[in-house]
Amino acid sequence: EPEVTQTPSHQVTQMGQEVILRCVPISNHLYFYWYRQILGQKVEFLVSFYNNEISEKSEIFDDQFSVERPDGSNFTLKIRSTKLEDSAMYFCASSDTGALYGYTFGSGTRLTVV
Amino acid sequence: RKEVEQDPGPFNVPEGATVAFNCTYSNSASQSFFWYRQDCRKEPKLLMSVYSSGNEDGRFTAQLNRASQYISLLIRDSKLSDSATYLCVVNMRGSSNTGKLIFGQGTTLQVKP
Repeated sequence: EPEVTQTPSHQVTQMGQEVILRCVPISNHLYFYWYRQILGQKVEFLVSFYNNEISEKSEIFDDQFSVERPDGSNFTLKIRSTKLEDSAMYFCASSDTGALYGYTFGSGTRLTVV
Repeated sequence: RKEVEQDPGPFNVPEGATVAFNCTYSNSASQSFFWYRQDCRKEPKLLMSVYSSGNEDGRFTAQLNRASQYISLLIRDSKLSDSATYLCVVNMRGSSNTGKLIFGQGTTLQVKP
């Protein structure tokens, strides 16, 4: 079964540092997403990406965040200057139909900001 | 009012029991509805989509009531392996057509021997 791959599985970074979280979506999918889940809280939408541009973003996705699809296979989330409150699980997802039939999520990157 | 609301539980049930989870959503323009399962510190995995006509997948039955904005999941003959958090998820059409999923807090199920 095709899967969404995320690397690294766990990243520890110092406050103020930049991090890049990487995702390889399912190859024929056209819609890409990032979500996050702070420990003990619900899964929250960050951003959707289609046709090489952001389709929609949440209030969480401020100027510190950016996404990129640099080479047609990878989909990255960059946090420019990490804060303690950015510590969370970050899930990438992809879909060939938008959100109509649900997504396939990657296994996530656990980001710990110290 | 929360966009998607669930009873967080936990529901502690013996093996073989039938258990039901409920969920309400606030946006009447929501397009599609799902139950996801999440194991501890893992990614959400799609369990089943939910339709107004009701749908069944083995021991799992899901139901949608659009008029009441209410979604349910019934698990029959619970197994130990059903222990997980069950997430009620709604597809909200945003300003774009790509949509986004809105997650409930989740309901924790613990099935005991």
